[in-house]
Amino acid sequence: SQTIHQWPATLVQPVGSPLSLECTVEGTSNPNLYWYRQAAGRGLQLLFYSVGIGQISSEVPQNLSASRPQDRQFILSSKKLLLSDSGFYLCAWSLVVSTEAFFGQGTRLTVV
Amino acid sequence: EDQVTQSPEALRLQEGESSSLNCSYTVSGLRGLFWYRQDPGKGPEFLFTLYSAGEEKEKERLKATLTKKESFLHITAPKPEDSATYLCAVLNLYSGAGSYQLTFGKGTKLSVIP
Repeated sequence: SQTIHQWPATLVQPVGSPLSLECTVEGTSNPNLYWYRQAAGRGLQLLFYSVGIGQISSEVPQNLSASRPQDRQFILSSKKLLLSDSGFYLCAWSLVVSTEAFFGQGTRLTVV
Repeated sequence: EDQVTQSPEALRLQEGESSSLNCSYTVSGLRGLFWYRQDPGKGPEFLFTLYSAGEEKEKERLKATLTKKESFLHITAPKPEDSATYLCAVLNLYSGAGSYQLTFGKGTKLSVIP
């Protein structure tokens, strides 16, 4: 069966510091991968999605970037965090774009 | 612009009191509608996918239905463990670059009181 791992679960970082969140999927090949952010009182916002190694699509302009160095690895990064980057970050995968996505357990990021 | 509106924002039910959650949407061409359950501090857990009007899916005490403008999540004889936030999302696919568009509603927070 397929599983998705996302870490760390919680993270407190100072403003201006770098960020690296990692997500890996097991049990499937060539998944579509997604990064979402969930802010209090708002719906999930798609940040990036990838249909293959090195292929990244960005949905919103922001202080973040994503990379997919391996088939089942998806990384969310920032060079300098802003206070507004605080939130709940979720990684997800799907077999194809037209099917349901399965989510990791999320990372609670607090920028101080 | 695709829009997804869930109602009510919050719902309190007595254990055993059946009810329905609503998800209304405005998309130019629906390619799929998804329901998720989210517990506090956790990632969303997939429940159902609906692709066409008239389709229904069931799982234990939950039943999801779809029309051309909205979807309902019916909860029959809920138990306290059904307490969670329920999210719906609609999928639209556009041609060209940046073609994936999945829009989530803000969710309905369900509380089931023993």
